[in-house]
Amino acid sequence: EVQLVESGGGLVQPGGSLRLSCAASGFTFTSYSMIWVRQAPGKGLEWVSYISSSSSTIYYADSVKGRFTISRDNAKTSLYLHMNSLRAEDTAVYYCARPPQRGGGYWGQGTLVTVSS
Amino acid sequence: QLVLTQSPSASASLGASVRLTCTLSSGHSSYAIAWHQQQPDKGPRYLMKLNSDGSHSKGDGIPDRFSGSSSGAERYLTISSLQSEDEADYYCQTWGTGIQVFGGGTKLTVL
Repeated sequence: EVQLVESGGGLVQPGGSLRLSCAASGFTFTSYSMIWVRQAPGKGLEWVSYISSSSSTIYYADSVKGRFTISRDNAKTSLYLHMNSLRAEDTAVYYCARPPQRGGGYWGQGTLVTVSS
Repeated sequence: QLVLTQSPSASASLGASVRLTCTLSSGHSSYAIAWHQQQPDKGPRYLMKLNSDGSHSKGDGIPDRFSGSSSGAERYLTISSLQSEDEADYYCQTWGTGIQVFGGGTKLTVL
């Protein structure tokens, strides 16, 4: 059974930093690209970042470019999102997901990030 | 620019069928998409990947009531024999070089 379990969310002040983690299991993590997607309260889904299976290709949404960094540790089957210079508009539930391009998609349960003073 | 357009809302009666539409932007009619369901206060759930020729592959445990089809730049999700638990937000997703895109979502109300 594929499982994606996010952690690391919480309350942070504007300008602060946070690191999200996603522990993956139930599939060959090293063979799949991964993405982060967020959902602000009452809003739709917004893609945040993409990383290829070998970390050789990385993309970011314009809204987070230069502030967020995606990474992965294939030995630990884990995905990360380092978030710096956080703003109120970054408040959202952040989901780790295996994109559906190959072999079907999967979602984690999400972790809430609240940026507020 | 790669954009997906969805109607904000739809409704249908219990036991009936409903077809939701996701439209690809001009020049992108050959793109595959994925459909996801998000029930109230839950995370998204992958339903299926839908190709431009209408072929689709569903996620784990997705009932036969859910099916997909395509016509030109439009991608459809049809839900038959509607049940109360089908009341949810439905999102389409596609991807290109350097980008993943979500539609704005359709809120389905089961009457």
